[in-house]
Amino acid sequence: DTAVSQTPKYLVTQMGNDKSIKCEQNLGHDTMYWYKQDSKKFLKIMFSYNNKELIINETVPNRFSPKSPDKAHLNLHINSLELGDSAVYFCASSQVVGRTGNTDTQYFGPGTRLTVL
Amino acid sequence: AQSVSQHNHHVILSEAASLELGCNYSYGGTVNLFWYVQYPGQHLQLLLKYFSGDPLVKGIKGFEAEFIKSKFSFNLRKPSVQWSDTAEYFCAVNRKAGSYQLTFGKGTKLSVIP
Repeated sequence: DTAVSQTPKYLVTQMGNDKSIKCEQNLGHDTMYWYKQDSKKFLKIMFSYNNKELIINETVPNRFSPKSPDKAHLNLHINSLELGDSAVYFCASSQVVGRTGNTDTQYFGPGTRLTVL
Repeated sequence: AQSVSQHNHHVILSEAASLELGCNYSYGGTVNLFWYVQYPGQHLQLLLKYFSGDPLVKGIKGFEAEFIKSKFSFNLRKPSVQWSDTAEYFCAVNRKAGSYQLTFGKGTKLSVIP
């Protein structure tokens, strides 16, 4: 069984369109993340949700809006897509351990390769 | 904010050669340390992690890493690489206590020549 799944795996679209990427985890984790991996393979955190609450919101254009309907899902909606949005987007999840908010290992999904034409 | 440096951008080795990939982080507090591997076209998989205890940690596929606190380093090693180890390797750090953020290094591409 897939622990962290993302759909779609590939997404090709025109500039200006709006698109969504979905992520689901079946690990029972309480924290989920979105990362962007650029063409040079650099991974950067975009957002993180803990128990459906936004806890990390890095400097990301407000065209990107995450939505967490429940602890097992974290979707990413992108408005008015631009060429520079082309990248691989990875979802991840982890479990907070203890009272100090220490997070355990993050488990990654297979990625969504977004190409904006 | 913490940062992670991986010194080697691309490493090319012959099969059976020994591997050491450098990773240094900048953060004065206590941290959790990770090495992830990304095989071509695949997602990131955890190789090994260090939270506490023995600073020499062993991971999957014969990899190990040593945490040297005084040097802020967490270098990855393997005594004998195989062609199937060809991949991108990422070092990552997150602060203990209240940080959800995992900061990645820029990755090291390993190419193993048969």
